[in-house]
Amino acid sequence: ETGVTQTPRHLVMGMTNKKSLKCEQHLGHNAMYWYKQSAKKPLELMFVYNFKEQTENNSVPSRFSPECPNSSHLFLHLHTLQPEDSALYLCASSQEMGRPGESFFNQPQHFGDGTRLSIL
Amino acid sequence: GQNIDQPTEMTATEGAIVQINCTYQTSGFNGLFWYQQHAGEAPTFLSYNVLDGLEEKGRFSSFLSRSKGYSYLLLKELQMKDSASYLCAVTMDSNYQLIWGAGTKLIIKP
Repeated sequence: ETGVTQTPRHLVMGMTNKKSLKCEQHLGHNAMYWYKQSAKKPLELMFVYNFKEQTENNSVPSRFSPECPNSSHLFLHLHTLQPEDSALYLCASSQEMGRPGESFFNQPQHFGDGTRLSIL
Repeated sequence: GQNIDQPTEMTATEGAIVQINCTYQTSGFNGLFWYQQHAGEAPTFLSYNVLDGLEEKGRFSSFLSRSKGYSYLLLKELQMKDSASYLCAVTMDSNYQLIWGAGTKLIIKP
């Protein structure tokens, strides 16, 4: 039990489909993140939410659409994806986003097991 | 630009010691994380270094030299379960984002 649960664990979809990834955290954290992990590449930060407010969108294509209805839940809505979008999508949470000098500035992130996404 | 380098893969023997290096070139630096990720599982937090020096946690130790832009993770008394990828990540003093390395896949042989 990691405290961060992602569903589904595996997803295969066609390029014209619409699907959603779900993330739920039971740690009482206020910051949540979506990452993309491709083989032999660094983790790519996609979106960040702090107290339900989106604070980062790292030039992610509009075919990925995040939603954060509350501090415990995070969704990633997918539509008209491309084959290069096949990857492991990881959700993470942390106590909250901080600023330099603040005590929670560098709280570790807690990750879910990810959703393995394959685009046909 | 921001850059973090780690060896792609390392092999070690059960019971031995292995050192995984991480070098970074970033515009600003606050601290460095190490995470462990078993295949098909979530990355899990191992250590966080802000100050120069060695921090020990059981079989695992992490070292940081800020002046050299260098860190290493030292694993002692290796066990088969230590076979995993080890990710280093840097936090910068200008924002809260983590800059990640590509990870080092560690293979433990009997």
